[in-house]
Amino acid sequence: EVQLVESGGDLVQPGGSLRLSCAASEFTFKNYEMNWVRQAPGKGLEWISYINGDGNTRYYADSVKGRFTISRDNAKKSLYLQMNSLRAEDTAVYHCARVSFTGGDGWFDPWGQGTLVTVSS
Amino acid sequence: QSVLTQPPSVSAAPGQKVTISCSGSSSNIGKNYVSWYQQLPGTAPKLLIYGNNKRPSGIPDRFSGSKSATSATLGITGLQTGDEADYYCGTWDSSLSAGFFGGGTKLTVL
Repeated sequence: EVQLVESGGDLVQPGGSLRLSCAASEFTFKNYEMNWVRQAPGKGLEWISYINGDGNTRYYADSVKGRFTISRDNAKKSLYLQMNSLRAEDTAVYHCARVSFTGGDGWFDPWGQGTLVTVSS
Repeated sequence: QSVLTQPPSVSAAPGQKVTISCSGSSSNIGKNYVSWYQQLPGTAPKLLIYGNNKRPSGIPDRFSGSKSATSATLGITGLQTGDEADYYCGTWDSSLSAGFFGGGTKLTVL
């Protein structure tokens, strides 16, 4: 079964840093583009970042641009999110999700369970 | 504030049909495909519909999707108590290289 498992979430002070990981299994990781999507408590889904298969192309939502960095290690079948200058509004469950594209269509499947990041003093 | 607008909640009785709307604009839904996701309480989102109206393998045909101009609709027939969940519409905007989601709709099966 294709699976994504996130880790690394924690309580961190405003202005602090954190690195999230997402371990992939049961699919050829290097062939797929990946994303991070977050969900603030009681709120909806917010896409925050994308990376292509070889890691050379990355996109970010304006809300995290310049503070977060997405990366991947295909040998380890892992996706990462380095989060710097964290703010209270970054408090959320962070999901990794595989994205597929065809003919202009893009969809997210599967998703990981998520890891909770809490930014508070 | 989400780019795509969904009603906060909908409800219907078991066995009935419900529709969930997703409203956007010519710059998002109007030019991109729509996908739909189900998030059961305490679980990860799950893909229900992609390409406006396509169901992945394993998704029952009780779930359907449609799109017209700048709006999309998820339909669920034969409602079951197990369908109680949050439902999200989403789209990938190739011109912006970004994903967008609706605010989510909580479905209650009375």
